[in-house]
Amino acid sequence: YVLTQPPSVSLAPGQTARMTCGGRNIESKSVHWYQQKPGRAPVLVVFDDSDRPSGIPDRFSGSNSGNTATLTISRVEAGDEADYYCQVWDSDSDVVFGGGTRLTVL
Amino acid sequence: QLQLQESGPGLVQPSETLSLTCSVSDDSLSKNRYYWGWIRQPPGKGLEWIGNIYYNGNTYYKASLKSRVTVSVDTSMKQLSLKLTSVTAADTAVYYCVRIVVPAAMSFDPWGQGTQVTVSS
Repeated sequence: YVLTQPPSVSLAPGQTARMTCGGRNIESKSVHWYQQKPGRAPVLVVFDDSDRPSGIPDRFSGSNSGNTATLTISRVEAGDEADYYCQVWDSDSDVVFGGGTRLTVL
Repeated sequence: QLQLQESGPGLVQPSETLSLTCSVSDDSLSKNRYYWGWIRQPPGKGLEWIGNIYYNGNTYYKASLKSRVTVSVDTSMKQLSLKLTSVTAADTAVYYCVRIVVPAAMSFDPWGQGTQVTVSS
């Protein structure tokens, strides 16, 4: 199973970032999103398509439909600059990550 | 709040065995609502799943690594372990241990801080 993410997204502060994760019939799977800042370990920001762990701002949201899952960050801030990875389980036992999208805040 | 801490040699000789441990700060290893895994990230690249271990002891590995990988748990020591045999330069990466939260759709939370492993003579 393959997850496809665009390599990069760039936008100005205050705008809305939408990062996609494409996969065959991905809507049938639970999609998780991780934020990784330079030199740091990844952090879970959205799980099960659209749920947020405690401590994650409500500016972060997710959706999943058809062949595309989307992570949306509203009112982007400089501190949101990071790599974002989507992840699913395949065949209930194998883990698949997307290639990651680098978010640049101009 | 749970903390995971990886440890092990930062430098491994080619063809040797890479051995890492992950110390778990609470009793999560003994609870059936959590599984455990290892992820790695080669320099400048994305995340690569290595393998998982479930509460019942079942293990699952990435197909391309299966012949070289062993993941195990020692609940008395509160440690998760990874062994990777016959390493090459391609195994150079930051290695992360993760907790897999079953009630949260098997998401990975938290991650350890990661440990850099370089394979070189």
